[in-house]
Amino acid sequence: GAVVSQHPSRVICKSGTSVKIECRSLDFQATTMFWYRQFPKQSLMLMATSNEGSKATYEQGVEKDKFLINHASLTLSTLTVTSAHPEDSSFYICSAREEPNSPLHFGNGTRLTVT
Amino acid sequence: EDKVVQSPLSLVVHEGDTVTLNCSYEVTNFRSLLWYKQEKKAPTFLFMLTSSGIEKKSGRLSSILDKKELFSILNITATQTGDSAIYLCAVEASTGNQFYFGTGTSLTVIP
Repeated sequence: GAVVSQHPSRVICKSGTSVKIECRSLDFQATTMFWYRQFPKQSLMLMATSNEGSKATYEQGVEKDKFLINHASLTLSTLTVTSAHPEDSSFYICSAREEPNSPLHFGNGTRLTVT
Repeated sequence: EDKVVQSPLSLVVHEGDTVTLNCSYEVTNFRSLLWYKQEKKAPTFLFMLTSSGIEKKSGRLSSILDKKELFSILNITATQTGDSAIYLCAVEASTGNQFYFGTGTSLTVIP
């Protein structure tokens, strides 16, 4: 089945530094990947849709200069949280699908803590 | 406004009980409804439903969709402590790559 790998699973960084999170589709090609943020006891909040070879589509209220998304290949998308602040601490999850009518498959998420 | 509403928000049952989780939706241009189980990490896929009245089953879990009344249910029979998780419902719109997630139902199964 479709496997999505996300790395790292947990990261602690100091305020002002940047953090890169990788999302890979291991056994399929994903022209589109999705980045979500999840707050405690809340559902998934879509941040952006990552399109291979083109610019990401950001949801309203998500700062594109702060959350840089790069989808350089059909199996890899990265999310870089630039100049991280404590309020960026959250659980970030990526997802991808094999084809238009297939379900989303999720990576295991990244727990970001900014001190 | 497109939305997905799940109920109940949380549920506590004893092992062996049967539970029914609900998901209602108002989404323009419905394409499919998906159920996920989320434990400590990211959601894992359970079911994808596109047609009304056709039950999907996997072990003790089953789900069905009613496109006329705009809802789906997820049933878990003979619950086990390992079923404790948040169950998420998502609806995809046919406009493509547009998913709407409910807030989830938190299920706790106690021994």
